[in-house]
Amino acid sequence: KAGVTQTPRYLIKTRGQQVTLSCSPISGHRSVSWYQQTPGQGLQFLFEYFSETQRNKGNFPGRFSGRQFSNSRSEMNVSTLELGDSALYLCASSTDISGNTIYFGEGSWLTVV
Amino acid sequence: GESVGLHLPTLSVQEGDNSIINCAYSNSASDYFIWYKQESGKGPQFIIDIRSNMDKRQGQRVTVLLNKTVKHLSLQIAATQPGDSAVYFCAEISGGGADGLTFGKGTHLIIQP
Repeated sequence: KAGVTQTPRYLIKTRGQQVTLSCSPISGHRSVSWYQQTPGQGLQFLFEYFSETQRNKGNFPGRFSGRQFSNSRSEMNVSTLELGDSALYLCASSTDISGNTIYFGEGSWLTVV
Repeated sequence: GESVGLHLPTLSVQEGDNSIINCAYSNSASDYFIWYKQESGKGPQFIIDIRSNMDKRQGQRVTVLLNKTVKHLSLQIAATQPGDSAVYFCAEISGGGADGLTFGKGTHLIIQP
């Protein structure tokens, strides 16, 4: 079956703009979580959604938000982009986040200029 | 959550040899561990996982060992191949996933011909 699909794969935005990234989880998976990966900070947890509800949240400012739809697809949004938001944004899906295999997509590369 | 760390940023091995990648974790409440492989430009790829009630788990050419006494996790790759070149991350999850996956900083495995 298809893996985790993320779109777009690459994008360039200007400071102050906002961006929306999309994620389609593996069929049947209801937990979708998002991570930011940078060379300096590594992989950091943003938030997790389960059945359209944000269940867990990492230590990121309110400019980072997300949502999940009834078909488990998820989007994350970053508003008022800063240069430091340049990163690889990864989506992961699982049947449930705790104690179950978590699979990642290929990520969305965001460059803020 | 508490951090999960790896001992070496880079590990160089000869093709055909066995590789051992180590990881130390500090959160005694961690109950589920996953090893990921990340190739350049791609998302993390699931390799193998282990629950805290286990000491060892084997997959195809890979073995994960968990020592809860010293909070140490290792990934052994048998007969290393050029395709094994990548960055390897250990990740842990605890508390029902409230902090998502906590990743170590990664070990870059380099295969020498």
